[in-house]
Amino acid sequence: GAVVSQHPSWVICKSGTSVKIECRSLDFQATTMFWYRQFPKQSLMLMATSNEGSKATYEQGVEKDKFLINHASLTLSTLTVTSAHPEDSSFYICSARPTNNQPQHFGDGTRLSIL
Amino acid sequence: GENVEQHPSTLSVQEGDSAVIKCTYSDSASNYFPWYKQELGKRPQLIIDIRSNVGEKKDQRIAVTLNKTAKHFSLHITETQPEDSAVYFCAASTTGNTGKLIFGQGTTLQVKP
Repeated sequence: GAVVSQHPSWVICKSGTSVKIECRSLDFQATTMFWYRQFPKQSLMLMATSNEGSKATYEQGVEKDKFLINHASLTLSTLTVTSAHPEDSSFYICSARPTNNQPQHFGDGTRLSIL
Repeated sequence: GENVEQHPSTLSVQEGDSAVIKCTYSDSASNYFPWYKQELGKRPQLIIDIRSNVGEKKDQRIAVTLNKTAKHFSLHITETQPEDSAVYFCAASTTGNTGKLIFGQGTTLQVKP
């Protein structure tokens, strides 16, 4: 149980393109989902906290207009990287917190490469 | 805000030896401290966690200790095996296991056969 699916797992696109990443909790409901970014050989940096039905809370230094987060249901949150540039290339990982107060579960991550 | 420092950044041990990774945190309000194992290109996996009302927790070959006064916690792996080789991250949260996590920088553990 407690499976978090992230899609796509890998995407390559041209500079200026917008990319949408989906995070789904497959067998549980998640009122809160978290989005992290991980550069090669570095730690996971929290980008934002996504709450179902409300606006996301962004960490300091993360541009909310560039990284659009939507959490429309208890099982789906999306991260859209708008007008992506090479410096946005990274490993993006989501995690979902079950409504039963169990620890958050991580998705498999999305490797984003901007050419 | 919370800041988590992790040491060492790399650790190489011989199979069968013990490995210790240490973390310090800055926010005295932190009350939940998980440890994650991440293999290359994969998701972080929770291996053990500890809450602030407990000083030590053990699960087979893995143990975690917490010193709230000094604001540091450590991961101990005994009888290391080659499959323990991975990157290990500590994290801290001020809102229990349901809140946002602030991660340490990571430790690359290599267990030599």
